[in-house]
Amino acid sequence: GAVVSQHPSWVICKSGTSVKIECRSLDFQATTMFWYRQFPKQSLMLMATSNEGSKATYEQGVEKDKFLINHASLTLSTLTVTSAHPEDSSFYICSASRQGGAEAFFGQGTRLTVV
Amino acid sequence: GIQVEQSPPDLILQEGANSTLRCNFSDSVNNLQWFHQNPWGQLINLFYIPSGTKQNGRLSATTVATERYSLLYISSSQTTDSGVYFCAAQGSNDYKLSFGAGTTVTVRA
Repeated sequence: GAVVSQHPSWVICKSGTSVKIECRSLDFQATTMFWYRQFPKQSLMLMATSNEGSKATYEQGVEKDKFLINHASLTLSTLTVTSAHPEDSSFYICSASRQGGAEAFFGQGTRLTVV
Repeated sequence: GIQVEQSPPDLILQEGANSTLRCNFSDSVNNLQWFHQNPWGQLINLFYIPSGTKQNGRLSATTVATERYSLLYISSSQTTDSGVYFCAAQGSNDYKLSFGAGTTVTVRA
C-alpha cells in the first residue's frame, strides 16, 4: 500500500488562535490531496482539494479564508484553521492517491479541540 | 455528485457469525473502496474494488458495477471487527470520493 502521515494526531487550542495540520505522502508523490472533516457519529465530508503548485478548490459552504490550504510540494499539504472557534472542533483527515492511481489512502486524522 | 447509500446503519453480531454489508451508488464509478474506521479514527483500507470480487482473509467484497452496488462480507466475525465500515465511491465524471453514512458493526463475545 501507500503511506499517508498526518500530524499532529490531536491538538487543543484556545479560541482565536490558528492551528496548522500537516499531511505527508511518505512513499509516493501526490499532485492532489484531499481534506475531509468528520463530526462525531457522522460520515466524512470533503472540505477541499489541495493541488500542488496551485490554489486549492473548496467545496460549497467551506470558508477558504478560514481553512487555508497550502500544497507546496508533491509530498506535503497543510491545512491551517485560522481564528479557530469551538464550532471548528472536529476530526480532520487527509487523503492522497498515487499519480495515475485511483485508490485513496488516508492519514491518521487530527482531532482538533478549540476551547 | 454521486450518491452513496449504505445498509444497514447498525449491525449487532454474535462472535462467529457471518454478515453482509451493502453499498448502493447512483452512477458509474472509477473507484469504489471499503474502509474500516478504527476507534482512533483512522481509516483502514479494506478493498479497492470498482468491479469484481476480492478476498482478504475473513473479508471479501463484490462490486456489480452494472447494477450499481457493492457488498462486503464478514465471515466468522471477531470482536476486533467492531467499528464503522464505510463505502466510498468516485463517479466516472467526478474528481472526489463520496462517502456513505457508514455501517456500525458491533460484535459481541
